Amino acid sequence: NAGVTQTPKFQVLKTGQSMTLQCAQDMNHNSMYWYRQDPGMGLRLIYYSASEGTTDKGEVPNGYNVSRLNKREFSLRLESAAPSQTSVYFCASSAGTGLEGTQYFGPGTRLLVL
Amino acid sequence: GENVEQHPSTLSVQEGDSAVIKCTYSDSASNYFPWYKQELGKRPQLIIDIRSNVGEKKDQRIAVTLNKTAKHFSLHITETQPEDSAVYFCAASIHSGYSTLTFGKGTMLLVSP
Repeated sequence: NAGVTQTPKFQVLKTGQSMTLQCAQDMNHNSMYWYRQDPGMGLRLIYYSASEGTTDKGEVPNGYNVSRLNKREFSLRLESAAPSQTSVYFCASSAGTGLEGTQYFGPGTRLLVL
Repeated sequence: GENVEQHPSTLSVQEGDSAVIKCTYSDSASNYFPWYKQELGKRPQLIIDIRSNVGEKKDQRIAVTLNKTAKHFSLHITETQPEDSAVYFCAASIHSGYSTLTFGKGTMLLVSP
């Protein structure tokens, strides 16, 4: 039981490049989330998926898109990366419906945009 | 939307001392308050949570208290140890209300031997 996994662990992009961050969970959780973490800013929600087939914007969605591919997988796409998107990205999942329940986090992806 | 304020941003204590981290929230409908610990370079992990139907919850050296009237909740760590050194985040949401977690900005706790 791996829990929540993320790929890649680290990525360097040039301004304007695109990439997709992958997230998968093997806990049969209903809800999944993408956060970014910046120094002094805590964890800010980018997008979330309350259940398979649904996605919603969080606090800081601009510049990102998401896909809930199936119950296990939730990807985050940067179409045209900007230096302001340099951050650590965490995926999380929770079991309950209605976004309730403990959130379990993945190991994170460190993204540097030059 | 919900706003969560967390203080202090950094806290230094000697091993064996107690540490207290405080958070305030703005939405009186919030009723679920988890605390996460994040060690350097690692993922956040839940250490304790409390729901608004109780005022205090303990788990060994860790306790959380909630004052609904004042809309604030606190994390108490007793007999601190060097391995308690980490960043601690509080959060708030409306349980069972399709409400996402809103996190505080974190407190870096440093426990010196």
